[in-house]
Amino acid sequence: EAGVAQSPRYKIIEKRQSVAFWCNPISGHATLYWYQQILGQGPKLLIQFQNNGVVDDSQLPKDRFSAERLKGVDSTLKIQPAKLEDSAVYLCASRLLLGQGTGANVLTFGAGSRLTVL
Amino acid sequence: DQQVKQNSPSLSVQEGRISILNCDYTNSMFDYFLWYKKYPAEGPTFLISISSIKDKNEDGRFTVFLNKSAKHLSLHIVPSQPGDSAVYFCAASPGGTYKYIFGTGTRLKVLA
Repeated sequence: EAGVAQSPRYKIIEKRQSVAFWCNPISGHATLYWYQQILGQGPKLLIQFQNNGVVDDSQLPKDRFSAERLKGVDSTLKIQPAKLEDSAVYLCASRLLLGQGTGANVLTFGAGSRLTVL
Repeated sequence: DQQVKQNSPSLSVQEGRISILNCDYTNSMFDYFLWYKKYPAEGPTFLISISSIKDKNEDGRFTVFLNKSAKHLSLHIVPSQPGDSAVYFCAASPGGTYKYIFGTGTRLKVLA
């Protein structure tokens, strides 16, 4: 089974510029998550999708961050305009919606997209 | 408000010995817990999970213990191997939401 694909792996931009990250989850995984991991901290949930609907975006800074999952498969996270404090690794994860046992409760992560804002 | 806490930022253990990583949580609604391991430049990879209906779960060298009354869980690795050197995160989810909240991580170094 192919894993969660993310791109780009690395991005360097200047503050006030915009950036977009792409995620393709594991085939058949209905739930998709975007997490932000700042250096030295644990991953922080930004947004959770179920199919193409938003389940939770309470911690997404909506004045500058946006995310979509139009066809319920891949997803894009955008930051516009970027701030210095947005420097972090952006992790995408996916999860089976249905099923029994451990597999249905486990998030599978991609390798992440590292953003540096100068 | 840090609902999931890993109070030890780092831990060093000799190869072959037991590694014990701890995690505390504050939300009594959390009912499912996961442990992840993370190597540099990679995404976190799933290790082991436990439901609140259990107090112990084992998978090979890894065992997770859950003490609901103390709101505490721990991950035991026996025997520890150099390849176990990584950052370990615990994560918790409240009642069927599958909204996982992560701790800050503990960096484990296993010395050969």
